[in-house]
Amino acid sequence: ETGVTQSPTHLIKTRGQQVTLRCSSQSGHNTVSWYQQALGQGPQFIFQYYREEENGRGNFPPRFSGLQFPNYSSELNVNALELDDSALYLCASSPVVQGAGETQYFGPGTRLLVL
Amino acid sequence: ILNVEQSPQSLHVQEGDSTNFTCSFPSSNFYALHWYRWETAKSPEALFVMTLNGDEKKKGRISATLNTKEGYSYLYIKGSQPEDSATYLCAFITNQGGKLIFGQGTELSVKP
Repeated sequence: ETGVTQSPTHLIKTRGQQVTLRCSSQSGHNTVSWYQQALGQGPQFIFQYYREEENGRGNFPPRFSGLQFPNYSSELNVNALELDDSALYLCASSPVVQGAGETQYFGPGTRLLVL
Repeated sequence: ILNVEQSPQSLHVQEGDSTNFTCSFPSSNFYALHWYRWETAKSPEALFVMTLNGDEKKKGRISATLNTKEGYSYLYIKGSQPEDSATYLCAFITNQGGKLIFGQGTELSVKP
C-alpha cells in the first residue's frame, strides 16, 4: 500500500466532454505529479504541482490542467476530450520539494476511455 | 528527446530461474534512476532509487546495479517465484527537474 488513492477507478466519456480525475496523497507530501500511460507505453509525465503551484510540465496541451489543494488532494482536468486521451492516468506524490531523487508514491490509476 | 529503453519487453521463466532485465538511459545530466514493480490492478511499488555510479542495491531476492557513465542499470531476480510476476519499470530523472522519464517496462511472468 502506497497510501495514495485515486478516483474514480474507471471512467467512460465521449469526445468533446470534460473530465476531472482526483488524487489523494499521503499527508505531508507537498509534491504531486500526474502521468498518462497509453497502451503499450511507459507512463508519460503530464505535470507536477508543488504547494499548489505548477512546477514543471511535460509535452501536453493546455487543455490538460491541474489543481492541488492544501489538504494533499489534487485534480487533473482534461477539456475537449479526444479519442487519444484514452489511457491510464496515474498520480504520484512525494514529500520532497521537487520529488527528484526521492521515492514517488503512486496511486493505482484511473482508466479513462473516450468514445 | 530523452529516451529510456528497457529490454526485454517480456519474459517468461520457470519458478526457480534467475533472471535479469536492462534499462538504458542517457548518460548526460543524470540525477537518479528509479525501479518500480507494478502488479496488475495495483499501484506501482518503488523498489530502488539509485543515484551513484557503481551503486548496487538489494531487497530480498531482487538487486540492481547502476552505471551512469555508460547509461544502464540491471535488475536481477534470484530464484524467481510466481509472486514476482509483474511489470518492472525503470525511470530516469535529469538534474534539471523532478519528472520521471519512464521506459516501457519489462513484463515478467513466472510459471510454477
